[in-house]
Amino acid sequence: DAKTTQPNSMESNEEEPVHLPCNHSTISGTDYIHWYRQLPSQGPEYVIHGLTSNVNNRMASLAIAEDRKSSTLILHRATLRDAAVYYCILKAGNEKLTFGTGTRLTIIP
Amino acid sequence: GAGVSQSPRYKVAKRGQDVALRCDPISGHVSLFWYQQALGQGPEFLTYFQNEAQLDKSGLPSDRFFAERPEGSVSTLKIQRTQQEDSAVYLCASSFSGGASYEQYFGPGTRLTVT
Repeated sequence: DAKTTQPNSMESNEEEPVHLPCNHSTISGTDYIHWYRQLPSQGPEYVIHGLTSNVNNRMASLAIAEDRKSSTLILHRATLRDAAVYYCILKAGNEKLTFGTGTRLTIIP
Repeated sequence: GAGVSQSPRYKVAKRGQDVALRCDPISGHVSLFWYQQALGQGPEFLTYFQNEAQLDKSGLPSDRFFAERPEGSVSTLKIQRTQQEDSAVYLCASSFSGGASYEQYFGPGTRLTVT
């Protein structure tokens, strides 16, 4: 599976937008970019995914670079409930998710 | 609707005991996955089922680990002769179908502690 690189940790103020970066320079043409998050003591939770175009859903937006070598997860207005570890994962057709170390997001009240 | 459920939520086993962990996937989901998460680490893949067929068991750490999904719905992960290094959270996930574009839905996990 292609590898992703994320910052180990980030902080953001409550009610501010948050931009979580992910680099994936070795992405292949058929890899989808998935984002999951894991709140303390819970299982991972699906956030969003995309292939080439930017994507929006009720939780977040996903901005994908034109060359697909990087992407950014955007939380439009962070709340304390968004404090979690965020994982950027490339998913090919082989079903499984390969988690890295993710970005630990801290929200400052 | 109902999500993925797992039982028990917590299990304490003495070294050498056998344990069985259960996963109830979302109804109608074809794909089922097991992951292991050690403290402070990201989840790691163990095995994958499509209906009742176990298509990938490359992540199972030893032959003490065995998983089944006999009727294509509920799955059981069994660990024989537990060791301390088996202590972890075991996560189950299900997906409507296979393929790169489908998301996985995770259960809350079973925290196994081997003493």
